[in-house]
Amino acid sequence: GAVVSQHPSWVICKSGTSVKIECRSLDFQATTMFWYRQFPKQSLMLMATSNEGSKATYEQGVEKDKFLINHASLTLSTLTVTSAHPEDSSFYICSARSGVPEAFFGQGTRLTVV
Amino acid sequence: AQSVAQPEDQVNVAEGNPLTVKCTYSVSGNPYLFWYVQYPNRGLQFLLKYITGDNLVKGSYGFEAEFNKSQTSFHLKKPSALVSDSALYFCAVRVYNNAGNMLTFGGGTRLMVKP
Repeated sequence: GAVVSQHPSWVICKSGTSVKIECRSLDFQATTMFWYRQFPKQSLMLMATSNEGSKATYEQGVEKDKFLINHASLTLSTLTVTSAHPEDSSFYICSARSGVPEAFFGQGTRLTVV
Repeated sequence: AQSVAQPEDQVNVAEGNPLTVKCTYSVSGNPYLFWYVQYPNRGLQFLLKYITGDNLVKGSYGFEAEFNKSQTSFHLKKPSALVSDSALYFCAVRVYNNAGNMLTFGGGTRLMVKP
């Protein structure tokens, strides 16, 4: 199957700083990528849909100014958590589709804000 | 609106026994159905999908699932469980030709296989 790489796998940052998470499709081009957030022992919550060359579409309740998404190329989307606070600590996962019905997921990023 | 329900938070099974993880869905069109598995601190791995055709679909690691339109179910099964199958399993649905192309996930079911 197609490979989606997410980096970093984990990151610890100080409250008030910003953190950037990268999502790359390694062997296919993805015009659309998705960003999810997962709380402990819970399902995935879609945060936003990232479209190459255009603005991301955010789900209701997700602050677009806090979670900046950039999809500058067909193989890279980034999620920047700005002015991070401890409540932003979570597991963030990206996914992409390669022309088949199933989506492929990155390995996730564990963000801890201290 | 589409939705997915996984009625069991956790399923316990002994190694070597058959396992079933339940999933029911609600959509307004023809569904694309998926099962994914998640190991601790990892992303989701694709197991199998139903798009059209045979109601019984086979996937990775010996898993299979049966699409039942009348019961709107897509239960995941495996004839003989392994300890290494212990993980978190998610059922997901996408409506055919949904311009949004987004997946809706169930709440997840933790599978515990004991030796």
